[in-house]
Amino acid sequence: RKEVEQDPGPFNVPEGATVAFNCTYSNSASQSFFWYRQDCRKEPKLLMSVYSSGNEDGRFTAQLNRASQYISLLIRDSKLSDSATYLCVVLIVPYNTDKLIFGTGTRLQVFP
Amino acid sequence: DTGVSQDPRHKITKRGQNVTFRCDPISEHNRLYWYRQTLGQGPEFLTYFQNEAQLEKSRLLSDRFSAERPKGSFSTLEIQRTEQGDSAMYLCASTPNSGNAGNTIYFGEGSWLTVV
Repeated sequence: RKEVEQDPGPFNVPEGATVAFNCTYSNSASQSFFWYRQDCRKEPKLLMSVYSSGNEDGRFTAQLNRASQYISLLIRDSKLSDSATYLCVVLIVPYNTDKLIFGTGTRLQVFP
Repeated sequence: DTGVSQDPRHKITKRGQNVTFRCDPISEHNRLYWYRQTLGQGPEFLTYFQNEAQLEKSRLLSDRFSAERPKGSFSTLEIQRTEQGDSAMYLCASTPNSGNAGNTIYFGEGSWLTVV
């Protein structure tokens, strides 16, 4: 079983739609949680951190449920430019090594 | 440019050949990571350095793979006797010594390896 699991998609949605991605993680020692965005053939870039209280950044809302080991990302009013792969990422710290573990990514395609 | 730089960006090699990738992290960053990413997958952790010390290696890093960071600055990742399954993008990343790695990490643009 992968440490971070995501539905690979693709999610094909029209502009203006709301879309939600989910992610589960298996390591209960995971300390921090993130969503990264990766464009085709580019490096991953941080989209937002995820906190237990939930957090919002413009059209993006992230939620964390530690009890269920579940993370979500909601994108409202989708734009064409949101088309990308969204990677769920957890930070674990075994033996004082900060290690980021990535999910497989969920591909989003927004169409006009 | 003060970002993480990787060289070469693209490499095509014949099976059985050795290849070496170089990573120059952001200058004040003590921590350096190598990841591997294949098509349709997320980046997979390979190894981690704090300054010149290699503190962790993934089981993915077989004995054909070796990474070094001799002076705590640039790092190299060498793959010996390449196999077709080594074809992937090799990502280098760095973070400063303090702060949460997840929101202070910077990735290079990756080195694409194709083994034919």
